Amino acid sequence: DAGVIQSPRHEVTEMGQEVTLRCKPISGHNSLFWYRQTMMRGLELLIYFNNNVPIDDSGMPEDRFSAKMPNASFSTLKIQPSEPRDSAVYFCASSSRDTNQPQHFGDGTRLSIL
Amino acid sequence: AQKVTQAQTEISVVEKEDVTLDCVYETRDTTYYLFWYKQPPSGELVFLIRRNSFDEQNEISGRYSWNFQKSTSSFNFTITASQVVDSAVYFCALSEASGGYNKLIFGAGTRLAVHP
Repeated sequence: DAGVIQSPRHEVTEMGQEVTLRCKPISGHNSLFWYRQTMMRGLELLIYFNNNVPIDDSGMPEDRFSAKMPNASFSTLKIQPSEPRDSAVYFCASSSRDTNQPQHFGDGTRLSIL
Repeated sequence: AQKVTQAQTEISVVEKEDVTLDCVYETRDTTYYLFWYKQPPSGELVFLIRRNSFDEQNEISGRYSWNFQKSTSSFNFTITASQVVDSAVYFCALSEASGGYNKLIFGAGTRLAVHP
């Protein structure tokens, strides 16, 4: 079975540019999570969705960050405009709330803002 | 307040040594889950184990074992006869019933280096 798929794996862009990260959850999973990993703050939850609906976005650092889940098999995390301090590894994870499955993570997107 | 504490920042061992990674957690919930994830040098996060707060039985899976003790709020992870492939950062995490089990609260991680 395919795991959580994230794209791109690496992204390097200049500050001020819009960045879009993509995630395809495991088929059948109805919860999706976006995490950010930095040296300073470790792994932190940004936002999560249940059945495509955003439930808690309290971890989103500021209005420059937005996330959408238009359907059960796709989610995006957008940063506009990007800043150097946004440089981090962004992970997407999914789980099945109905069957109480643990979260399984994608390989992450390593984002560098110059 | 930090809810998951991994006091060991880095551990270095020689192959075939046993090593224990410590995890101490803090929660007011009586129902919660505890997890261990592995992050190898390639960067992905790999799920290793989940324990329910009502199940204090120790678990063994091959060279891996986990010791859950509610009395000390600890969920320690032991690797027996370590191998170079065990080199990774290991994260302990907590999810609480009050959060709908949705939010994983991670510790800072322990970097394990196993040398030949």
